[in-house]
Amino acid sequence: GEDVEQSLFLSVREGDSSVINCTYTDSSSTYLYWYKQEPGAGLQLLTYIFSNMDMKQDQRLTVLLNKKDKHLSLRIADTQTGDSAIYFCAERGLAPLVFGKGTRLSVIA
Amino acid sequence: DTEVTQTPKHLVMGMTNKKSLKCEQHMGHRAMYWYKQKAKKPPELMFVYSYEKLSINESVPSRFSPECPNSSLLNLHLHALQPEDSALYLCASSGSNYGYTFGSGTRLTVV
Repeated sequence: GEDVEQSLFLSVREGDSSVINCTYTDSSSTYLYWYKQEPGAGLQLLTYIFSNMDMKQDQRLTVLLNKKDKHLSLRIADTQTGDSAIYFCAERGLAPLVFGKGTRLSVIA
Repeated sequence: DTEVTQTPKHLVMGMTNKKSLKCEQHMGHRAMYWYKQKAKKPPELMFVYSYEKLSINESVPSRFSPECPNSSLLNLHLHALQPEDSALYLCASSGSNYGYTFGSGTRLTVV
């Protein structure tokens, strides 16, 4: 089946930028997503990018897509303690949404 | 209305109980999903309904029984569960636009 890979942990200082990376295998991916999950909560859609785009910016969030390398990244500018959470990369192609294992972002004050 | 509503938020049930999880959306989405999420793991797909018909069953044990009474409602009936079935159960819906909208989940504990 299709696979989505992410690094498991990232620790940054408050005010710095965070970059979370993701790779995927599905050549038929049409949309790629970033979801945020805080402890005990459901999944919050942060942002998404269509597969024919290479960049999308939304306030503090920048998504970069390298379709040739099947690499997706999420940059969070001016990271705050409220950004501490697990971030899931997910892709949607012909099959339903497939998630990566999630990156736990810890923000140090 | 841009939300998926799940009830109850928490459920504790014994192994001989029968209970149901409910999910509702009024966004006109014609695909609805059940995902199971264990602690510190990504969500895993269980069932997909498309136009109120079951289109995907990811080899889920029969003690989980989904039902889609209409285009806005999705239920998950639970019977004779095991302690290892304790998890966060997430409902989602999707339409012709970009994304899946997730509910906040039902945290299920089987005792």
